[in-house]
Amino acid sequence: GAVVSQHPSRVICKSGTSVKIECRSLDFQATTMFWYRQFPKQSLMLMATSNEGSKATYEQGVEKDKFLINHASLTLSTLTVTSAHPEDSSFYICSARDRRGTGGKETQYFGPGTRLLVL
Amino acid sequence: QKEVEQNSGPLSVPEGAIASLNCTYSDRGSQSFFWYRQYSGKSPELIMFIYSNGDKEDGRFTAQLNKASQYVSLLIRDSQPSDSATYLCAVKGTSGSRLTFGEGTQLTVNP
Repeated sequence: GAVVSQHPSRVICKSGTSVKIECRSLDFQATTMFWYRQFPKQSLMLMATSNEGSKATYEQGVEKDKFLINHASLTLSTLTVTSAHPEDSSFYICSARDRRGTGGKETQYFGPGTRLLVL
Repeated sequence: QKEVEQNSGPLSVPEGAIASLNCTYSDRGSQSFFWYRQYSGKSPELIMFIYSNGDKEDGRFTAQLNKASQYVSLLIRDSQPSDSATYLCAVKGTSGSRLTFGEGTQLTVNP
């Protein structure tokens, strides 16, 4: 099966600092990656769609200047939380779409997630 | 109306029973349907995907799709305590590549 990795798995930082999270597709190429956020006991919330070589598309209410997304290659996308605050503490999960599927049959595979705690 | 709806549960079944999880969607043109399992504190894991009307079986799991009724379900036979998790239904609609997720159904399998 397709494997997606995320790094780091857990990060604790001080308020005001920036945190970078990496998402990699290990055994397939992903033209599209997605970034989600999940608060405790709540469902996944899509933050943005990241396309290789182009600007990310952000969901309504997600600040693009705060959550910087870079999708520099077919296997790597990064999410940078800038000037993090305690309310940004959450579980951040990326997923990658396997481009080998076509016609609506693309499957998304999730990374293991990054737990961010901002003090 | 939500784009993808699931009963939030919790759904509780005894070990060995069949667990039935249901999902309805609003975009009639949706093409692809996925079931993910999410254990507490972990990220979602793909269990099944289905594209065509009818049943698709994989081990103890059966996905059922009825596009006319805009309904997709997941059956888990011989439920085990290790199946206890939240099950997320996801639908790929007609616009773009994003998946729309339901809020998930929490399943508990009692020994």
